[in-house]
Amino acid sequence: GQNIDQPTEMTATEGAIVQINCTYQTSGFNGLFWYQQHAGEAPTFLSYNVLDGLEEKGRFSSFLSRSKGYSYLLLKELQMKDSASYLCAVWNNAGNMLTFGGGTRLMVKP
Amino acid sequence: DAGVTQSPTHLIKTRGQQVTLRCSPKSGHDTVSWYQQALGQGPQFIFQYYEEEERQRGNFPDRFSGHQFPNYSSELNVNALLLGDSALYLCASSLAARVTGELFFGEGSRLTVL
Repeated sequence: GQNIDQPTEMTATEGAIVQINCTYQTSGFNGLFWYQQHAGEAPTFLSYNVLDGLEEKGRFSSFLSRSKGYSYLLLKELQMKDSASYLCAVWNNAGNMLTFGGGTRLMVKP
Repeated sequence: DAGVTQSPTHLIKTRGQQVTLRCSPKSGHDTVSWYQQALGQGPQFIFQYYEEEERQRGNFPDRFSGHQFPNYSSELNVNALLLGDSALYLCASSLAARVTGELFFGEGSRLTVL
């Protein structure tokens, strides 16, 4: 089976940096995705990591450590529009499907 | 290039009724996955269709069934609706040829069971 854990809620201040952690246990790991989901909307792709290390994309970065079963999403220069849920998801090639964690609801305050 | 489209966007049913939700995948995609997302939770995998067959199934009862058509569009059917079936139902499409396929999601169908 698979188990994916991430904090339920986080609060941060506009302009600050926030790190959202995700730990996972799975067999047949073949990549980790981060998605952003605004309330009432569809999840949208943010990042994909399959090898260890940091992937940077503008204000967003994602890190993966396969040996530790750990990933984080780093959001810099927070904006009010970054208030959303952030979903960590693991691709299990054996099952050929994406399994999601419960999501972290991020609230950005002025 | 049309993305993933789902219909209807919202619907209300009563317990015991049946519902059919529809999904058209992103142009060029051949695989459709369905997810159920309860309020405040992450999406839960229901099943995946490829080449008109169910390829993978999550931990959902037989009341949940689906179909994929030759044009790759898909339907999700839920019979004997329960209050707990109230959720956002997301359709996601991908390309089977990509080993680790990024999923593209539709806006979802919000089902309320009264």
